[in-house]
Amino acid sequence: QKEVEQDPGPLSVPEGAIVSLNCTYSNSAFQYFMWYRQYSRKGPELLMYTYSSGNKEDGRFTAQVDKSSKYISLFIRDSQPSDSATYLCASDTEEDFGNEKLTFGTGTRLTIIP
Amino acid sequence: AAGVIQSPRHLIKEKRETATLKCYPIPRHDTVYWYQQGPGQDPQFLISFYEKMQSDKGSIPDRFSAQQFSDYHSELNMSSLELGDSALYFCASSTRRRGQETQYFGPGTRLLVL
Repeated sequence: QKEVEQDPGPLSVPEGAIVSLNCTYSNSAFQYFMWYRQYSRKGPELLMYTYSSGNKEDGRFTAQVDKSSKYISLFIRDSQPSDSATYLCASDTEEDFGNEKLTFGTGTRLTIIP
Repeated sequence: AAGVIQSPRHLIKEKRETATLKCYPIPRHDTVYWYQQGPGQDPQFLISFYEKMQSDKGSIPDRFSAQQFSDYHSELNMSSLELGDSALYFCASSTRRRGQETQYFGPGTRLLVL
């Protein structure tokens, strides 16, 4: 079983809709939670990262972590066709953060339909 | 802002050949990570270096080796290439300075083994 689980999709939503992307994790030691966006044939691009539980907002993007249920979410408001990409969640432990490997989910392929 | 640079961007090799991938981290980043991403897969951690010393090792085959040089760039050496080595190889860099520990990915090197 992977330490970070993510529905691979694909997920298609109409332009302007709110998108909800989710991951679950099993390692209780994870403290840092990242969302990366990866366009086809490109490297993962860091969108947001959060520490421990709580919400973090950046423009149209909101990241949410619920450590009690080991659930990670990314919400995209007013979705745009340019948001079409694969979204990867990733986690790391506090002890290792900045030092060790990231543990990725499998990625969710998102398509925003104009 | 400067990003992670990888070269070459594309590489075609035949079975049993060798390949060398290069990674130039973001200036002032002291940690380099290598990941392998197969088609439709999430990035799998291979190896990382901090201050020119190996800091962690993941699922890197014995046929592969890597090092980090005094200017912090890193090279991934791959020998006796196999068809299954065809993948995207990403380099990421980070720094241990507090608040800046997130990993930033390069554009990747696409390796095709024929």
